[in-house]
Amino acid sequence: AQSVTQLDSQVPVFEEAPVELRCNYSSSVSVYLFWYVQYPNQGLQLLLKYLSGSTLVKGINGFEAEFNKSQTSFHLRKPSVHISDTAEYFCAVRRNYGQNFVFGPGTRLSVLP
Amino acid sequence: DGGITQSPKYLFRKEGQNVTLSCEQNLNHDAMYWYRQDPGQGLRLIYYSQIVNDFQKGDIAEGYSVSREKKESFPLTVTSAQKNPTAFYLCASSTTGASGYTFGSGTRLTVV
Repeated sequence: AQSVTQLDSQVPVFEEAPVELRCNYSSSVSVYLFWYVQYPNQGLQLLLKYLSGSTLVKGINGFEAEFNKSQTSFHLRKPSVHISDTAEYFCAVRRNYGQNFVFGPGTRLSVLP
Repeated sequence: DGGITQSPKYLFRKEGQNVTLSCEQNLNHDAMYWYRQDPGQGLRLIYYSQIVNDFQKGDIAEGYSVSREKKESFPLTVTSAQKNPTAFYLCASSTTGASGYTFGSGTRLTVV
């Protein structure tokens, strides 16, 4: 069975500072990896995904993530955050075709002025 | 534009009443999903459907029911058997390939 861990439930950071949101997963097979963002009272929006190829993946809003197979991690990074990045971020994994997603518990990013 | 529509956005019901949440997609996706979201608990899968006229229970199906009579529609009924129905409900859809989920904007159900 797969599982996803997001060690930090809340991450406060000052505006224009860098941020890293951590995601680790466990799976005995290859998986696809995703990061989603959720703004208050809205659905989830896809930030980026790793399917294969280059381990550094770039997404929307200046976010990027790096897949590390040996550490089974897929941490999300942004070099300089903005107030508008305040939201909840979910890491998710999916096995191959037709399998359901497994979501992490989420990390609440609060960007302070 | 293609997408998923959930309605209504806010819903209030009295305790003991059944209520149905609507989810419609025009993305031609085969699979559809219902999640429940509570503060600090992430997303929990209620039901999912990979194909029309077929659906499977997720992790927390008790007190809920669904139908999938059309590819575009996957309504969720919260029954009176659901002990704590107040929550934010999210519908999603996907292809069976490597793509991610597309989510609706959610329905916030409050039972009073």
